Amino acid sequence: AQSVTQLDSHVSVSEGTPVLLRCNYSSSYSPSLFWYVQHPNKGLQLLLKYTSAATLVKGINGFEAEFKKSETSFHLTKPSAHMSDAAEYFCVVSAFGRYNTDKLIFGTGTRLQVFP
Amino acid sequence: ETGVTQSPTHLIKTRGQQVTLRCSSQSGHNTVSWYQQALGQGPQFIFQYYREEENGRGNFPPRFSGLQFPNYSSELNVNALELDDSALYLCASSWRESEMNTEAFFGQGTRLTVV
Repeated sequence: AQSVTQLDSHVSVSEGTPVLLRCNYSSSYSPSLFWYVQHPNKGLQLLLKYTSAATLVKGINGFEAEFKKSETSFHLTKPSAHMSDAAEYFCVVSAFGRYNTDKLIFGTGTRLQVFP
Repeated sequence: ETGVTQSPTHLIKTRGQQVTLRCSSQSGHNTVSWYQQALGQGPQFIFQYYREEENGRGNFPPRFSGLQFPNYSSELNVNALELDDSALYLCASSWRESEMNTEAFFGQGTRLTVV
């Protein structure tokens, strides 16, 4: 069965410092992995996706994530946090493998707070 | 903006009632998936509709049902509402052809409160 575990429910950083949101995955298939962001009272926005090409994936707004098969991890990073990054972040795995990217299993979320 | 629109944005229902939520998919997309996001949780997959038929279902009881119309829009129906059905219901659209598909694009959701 497919699942993702987000290792931190809350992360707090100061503006201008690096961001690290941690995610481990479990998958019976070669997975597709995603990070989605949800701002308050907004829908979900795709930040980036891994579908078996380059293991370092670059997304929108300066975010990137590295797929590490040996560690079953897909951590999200950003070199310098901005106040507008404050939101809920979800690590997501495809339910049925690499080629089924529209049935998704979500982690429990990490709330990112950014202080001035 | 993703082009996926949901209505209504908010809804209050009484326990035992029935509710219908609506979703218009993004232009060019033929597949709609529904998710339930309880407060403080990640979204959970309810089911997906492709070519007007159910194409996969999560761990939800039969009182959760859906429809997809020829224009690819979709409805989620929930019968015999329970207090635990209170959640944000998210619709996502994608394009699927046989076993290939694009990633999902989400609407802003319908907030359902059951009292």
